[in-house]
Amino acid sequence: GAVVSQHPSWVICKSGTSVKIECRSLDFQATTMFWYRQFPKQSLMLMATSNEGSKATYEQGVEKDKFLINHASLTLSTLTVTSAHPEDSSFYICSARDFGGQETQYFGPGTRLLVL
Amino acid sequence: AQSVTQLDSHVSVSEGTPVLLRCNYSSSYSPSLFWYVQHPNKGLQLLLKYTSAATLVKGINGFEAEFKKSETSFHLTKPSAHMSDAAEYFCVVRGSSNTGKLLFGQGTTLQVKP
Repeated sequence: GAVVSQHPSWVICKSGTSVKIECRSLDFQATTMFWYRQFPKQSLMLMATSNEGSKATYEQGVEKDKFLINHASLTLSTLTVTSAHPEDSSFYICSARDFGGQETQYFGPGTRLLVL
Repeated sequence: AQSVTQLDSHVSVSEGTPVLLRCNYSSSYSPSLFWYVQHPNKGLQLLLKYTSAATLVKGINGFEAEFKKSETSFHLTKPSAHMSDAAEYFCVVRGSSNTGKLLFGQGTTLQVKP
């Protein structure tokens, strides 16, 4: 099946710094990628939809200036958490939408962010 | 509007016994439904999906689910649990809109006892 990678797999940073997370579709092109956030023992919450070549669409309550999304190519989307604070600590997961055959979303392994 | 409800937050079974994870949905559209599994500190893996074809869907690792429109349910079953099945399971609904957005259920933790 299709593979989606994320980098880094985990990151620890100081409060006030910015962190960039990459999401790559390794063997297919993805015009649309999605970013989710998962708190411990909770479900995934969609943060935003990342569209190649255009602005991301954010879900209600998600600060677009804090969570910057760039989808510069058909295989790469990035999420930058700007001026991170401890409450931003979470598990961030991306998915990529594969239009080949029946549409399916493939998920990355996730990035665990800890803000000190 | 769409919603998805997993009726059990935690299910515990003995190895070799059947597994039943319950999911109910509501959707204004004819939905696509999925079950994903998440092992600790791992990404999500697609178990199976329903997209308006056969109502009984067979997935990987011996799992299957039946779409019942009259009951708005999409319960996940497996005849015989294995220790490696212990994980978090998510029922997911996607509407027919072109956004492709997925709505996740709250998750069910499956514990498998030896």
